[in-house]
Amino acid sequence: GENVEQHPSTLSVQEGDSAVIKCTYSDSASNYFPWYKQELGKGPQLIIDIRSNVGEKKDQRIAVTLNKTAKHFSLHITETQPEDSAVYFCAATFRGGGADGLTFGKGTHLIIQP
Amino acid sequence: NAGVTQTPKFRILKIGQSMTLQCTQDMNHNYMYWYRQDPGMGLKLIYYSVGAGITDKGEVPNGYNVSRSTTEDFPLRLELAAPSQTSVYFCASSYLGTGGVGRSGNTIYFGEGSWLTVV
Repeated sequence: GENVEQHPSTLSVQEGDSAVIKCTYSDSASNYFPWYKQELGKGPQLIIDIRSNVGEKKDQRIAVTLNKTAKHFSLHITETQPEDSAVYFCAATFRGGGADGLTFGKGTHLIIQP
Repeated sequence: NAGVTQTPKFRILKIGQSMTLQCTQDMNHNYMYWYRQDPGMGLKLIYYSVGAGITDKGEVPNGYNVSRSTTEDFPLRLELAAPSQTSVYFCASSYLGTGGVGRSGNTIYFGEGSWLTVV
C-alpha cells in the first residue's frame, strides 16, 4: 500500500514569514495529492489539491508543488497570519487491495508566532 | 447546508460494550468513508462505500462493521469495544472516488468527528 511521510511534525514561524511543509509518497501510481487543514476540535478541511499531471498550483497565499520523479510534494504558505495556526495533513491516493480513499501523513502542527 | 453530520460527538464505552456511530450526508455523494485518528498520527481508513449496498474494507477494519442501505447514511458499528478503539472517528464523503487522473468531484468532505473512549 501507499506510505506517506510528512515533515516537520511541528513548525513555528513568525507572522508574515513563509511556511513550507514537505511530504513524500511511495506509490508511483498515486495521482491525487490533497492538503487538509485541521483546527482544534474540528474535522479536516481541504485547502488545496494537485493532480499528477500538474507541477504547481496556487490559490492566493497557498501553493502546492509536485515532483513526480522524486515523489515529493510540498505546501507553501506565504505571508502567514495567526489564523493559519492549525495541523496540516498531506495525503495521497491509496492503492492496495482494491481500497479507495486517501493515505495521510502524520500531520504538521503549524504555529504562527505574533 | 449541513454537509457531513456525525453523532454522537463524545462517548465513553466500557470494554465489551457495543455502539453505533451515525453518519449522514446531504450532498448526494456516492462515496462515503470512515477514518480513525490517533494522537500524533494521520487518519487511517477503516471502511468505505462506493454506493448504497456496497462496502469495502480499508486499512484497519478489524473490530468494526458498516452498512450502506441508503445513499445518505453510513453507520459504523463497534461490536465488542476494546481500549485499542479509543480514538477520534471521522466520517467523510465525496461525489467520486479519489482515483483517476483528471477526474473532478473527488474532494473529500469530513464531518466534525466523534471522540470515543473505551475504558
